[in-house]
Amino acid sequence: GAVVSQHPSWVICKSGTSVKIECRSLDFQATTMFWYRQFPKQSLMLMATSNEGSKATYEQGVEKDKFLINHASLTLSTLTVTSAHPEDSSFYICSATALDRLNTEAFFGQGTRLTVV
Amino acid sequence: DAKTTQPPSMDCAEGRAANLPCNHSTISGNEYVYWYRQIHSQGPQYIIHGLKNNETNEMASLIITEDRKSSTLILPHATLRDTAVYYCIVRVASGGSQGNLIFGKGTKLSVKP
Repeated sequence: GAVVSQHPSWVICKSGTSVKIECRSLDFQATTMFWYRQFPKQSLMLMATSNEGSKATYEQGVEKDKFLINHASLTLSTLTVTSAHPEDSSFYICSATALDRLNTEAFFGQGTRLTVV
Repeated sequence: DAKTTQPPSMDCAEGRAANLPCNHSTISGNEYVYWYRQIHSQGPQYIIHGLKNNETNEMASLIITEDRKSSTLILPHATLRDTAVYYCIVRVASGGSQGNLIFGKGTKLSVKP
């Protein structure tokens, strides 16, 4: 299957700083990438949909100025958590769907565990 | 909200078949049934998907009822490494922006020696 790589796999940052998480599709082109967040013992919640070359679409309740998404190429999307606070500590996961396939499964990255102290 | 309902947890003996049920009574004609699993602290892993016919791959089999209102994921010989949360998701066929997945609570499968 196709591979989606996320980096870093974990990060600890100080409150008030910003953190950038990268999501790359390694062997396919992805027009669309999705960003999810997962709190402990909960399911994944979609944060935003990222389309290459255009602005991301955010789900209700997700602050677009806090969670900056850039999808500059068909193989890379980034999520920047700005001015992070302890309540932003969570497991962030990206997924991507392939450009040239219909009815395709989504491929997920391995996730990034963010801890804000 | 998720369009599927699953039991919160199940146990299975190692080497036995694990049968995970899912109800999706409001599924639309153009929606497929997808199964993913999430092992602790990892990203979800695709398992299998189908529309109306039963499907089988190297990981599992998917049995969809004739009315498409429910399905069962079958892991034929469960191993300890199959312990995970299994998510049953319905979504439209196309990719692109419609390719997002809405996750419910899933079923926590515990495979025991």
